[in-house]
Amino acid sequence: DAMVIQNPRYQVTQFGKPVTLSCSQTLNHNVMYWYQQKSSQAPKLLFHYYDKDFNNEADTPDNFQSRRPNTSFCFLDIRSPGLGDAAMYLCATSTNGENIQYFGAGTRLSVL
Amino acid sequence: SQQGEEDPQALSIQEGENATMNCSYKTSINNLQWYRQNSGRGLVHLILIRSNEREKHSGRLRVTLDTSKKSSSLLITASRAADTASYFCAFGAGSYQLTFGKGTKLSVIP
Repeated sequence: DAMVIQNPRYQVTQFGKPVTLSCSQTLNHNVMYWYQQKSSQAPKLLFHYYDKDFNNEADTPDNFQSRRPNTSFCFLDIRSPGLGDAAMYLCATSTNGENIQYFGAGTRLSVL
Repeated sequence: SQQGEEDPQALSIQEGENATMNCSYKTSINNLQWYRQNSGRGLVHLILIRSNEREKHSGRLRVTLDTSKKSSSLLITASRAADTASYFCAFGAGSYQLTFGKGTKLSVIP
């Protein structure tokens, strides 16, 4: 089945130690998104790619970076994780049209 | 971006009862969508209603949209324990971004 896959499902890192989360998709969608979701809150968009064009939200901290080497893969890099970055990180995809988004299962990040 | 507001924040009902959740927004929209999120998982798209539509059905789901009041409601009929989840409305005004509401946490008691 076509899907969005996030690895790992759970990630533990140390304060200040760089971490990379990955997302892959078999839907061949041209738009990919990264969201941060904290407990009992709405998903917050960090950035999205339209094809190779990167679009950063104005309030996304510089600590968060992203790479999209090809259509199928997208990475979220957190350069120096702080305790406040502990959250669920969700990857999603969509294609031209009505912007229905397809989500991965998420990566829960813990920062010690 | 303007976040949507949902109410109630939490809802607890007995299995078999109907559940109604409401969403309000502030901008003009192209469509409004509802998503479900099971605990610790990603979001799953449930239903989309376009700005020129007033009501839409999908199985046990009924969505209404009132663009004059900038509000939408999601009705789940004959609820089941498996419907226990958080429900988010999301709306887009163009481009490729969605703004999500704060969510309603639904608990269906067997």
